[in-house]
Amino acid sequence: DGGITQSPKYLFRKEGQNVTLSCEQNLNHDAMYWYRQDPGQGLRLIYYSQIVNDFQKGDIAEGYSVSREKKESFPLTVTSAQKNPTAFYLCASSLRWDGEQFFGPGTRLTVL
Amino acid sequence: KQEVTQIPAALSVPEGENLVLNCSFTDSAIYNLQWFRQDPGKGLTSLLLIQSSQREQTSGRLNASLDKSSGRSTLYIAASQPGDSATYLCAVSGSSNTGKLIFGQGTTLQVKP
Repeated sequence: DGGITQSPKYLFRKEGQNVTLSCEQNLNHDAMYWYRQDPGQGLRLIYYSQIVNDFQKGDIAEGYSVSREKKESFPLTVTSAQKNPTAFYLCASSLRWDGEQFFGPGTRLTVL
Repeated sequence: KQEVTQIPAALSVPEGENLVLNCSFTDSAIYNLQWFRQDPGKGLTSLLLIQSSQREQTSGRLNASLDKSSGRSTLYIAASQPGDSATYLCAVSGSSNTGKLIFGQGTTLQVKP
């Protein structure tokens, strides 16, 4: 059963903590993306990766970091430098950078 | 800077009605346009992808059109059903080779039985 999985579904972070959101795909897609969704702001791109071992900043990368050591995995770390991390985080992938993007179920992060 | 607008923000229709959702974008230099559906608290489900060289795409009761020169796309839903109730998002991919999608704010559709 091919698709994109994200874990955990809900995540709570204390002030000053770093947390890592998982994104895994078994679609053999080259490109992967992280978006953030806030009410009234729509979705915004945080980071993207077109190929293993390479990634680029999106529009709102400050306070976030990523890695792409394996084709199927693209974890996102929300660092303590991110001032307003409470949001719904969505991971996506596409066969190539210009292909149809498919999304995971999302992780809702709340800062306590 | 590319901006994507979806009008109306919300729409309520009786079951069985045909309806049109609108999407407009400011920069016609797009690579493709994608329509998504989002249910509350869930991820996005891809509905249709239209490449910049195409005029329309169809999938079941859905038909999406693209007029790049005027910066517009429409999503036509035929014979609407209560199960179609969701938020519909339009997104464009710019001409730079990043794959980055620029999203509209969405249209929240309610189909009443």
